Amino acid sequence: GAVVSQHPSWVICKSGTSVKIECRSLDFQATTMFWYRQFPKQSLMLMATSNEGSKATYEQGVEKDKFLINHASLTLSTLTVTSAHPEDSSFYICSAPGIAGSYNEQFFGPGTRLTVL
Amino acid sequence: ILNVEQSPQSLHVQEGDSTNFTCSFPSSNFYALHWYRWETAKSPEALFVMTLNGDEKKKGRISATLNTKEGYSYLYIKGSQPEDSATYLCAFDAGGTSYGKLTFGQGTILTVHP
Repeated sequence: GAVVSQHPSWVICKSGTSVKIECRSLDFQATTMFWYRQFPKQSLMLMATSNEGSKATYEQGVEKDKFLINHASLTLSTLTVTSAHPEDSSFYICSAPGIAGSYNEQFFGPGTRLTVL
Repeated sequence: ILNVEQSPQSLHVQEGDSTNFTCSFPSSNFYALHWYRWETAKSPEALFVMTLNGDEKKKGRISATLNTKEGYSYLYIKGSQPEDSATYLCAFDAGGTSYGKLTFGQGTILTVHP
């Protein structure tokens, strides 16, 4: 099946710094990617939809100026957590549909654990 | 806010036991129901995508059923093996303008003891 990678797999940063997380589709192209986060003991929650060549769309309650998404190529989407604070500590994971235009089969990265001190 | 519930939250079984868990979801605005298997430190692995009421799908020892009218899906594992230990997630897709935007349950953590 298709493979999605994420980098880094974990990161620890100081409060106030920015952190960039990369999501790559390794053997297929993805015009759309989805970003989710998971707080402890909670479900994966959709944050935003990343669209190649256009602006991302954010779910209600997600600050677009805090979580900057760039989808500059057909295989790479990045999520930058700007001025991170301890409450941003979470598990971030991306997914990409394997077939353009069909979201019935989505492939997930392994996720990134962010800890903000 | 869509409500997707999974039960039980965790399950311990012995090798060779058969087991099943439940995912309940809204019975309106249904497009698809996904099942994923997620092992620690790995990517969630897609098991099934189910779209039709009454659908039954099978992959080896794992099978799933779907009832969209009452809003539930069952995942069955026959003859559990230690390598089946993982978190099993279901995710609801309402389609339409939300197509592809999955709402996940909290997952069922399965531990199979040798």
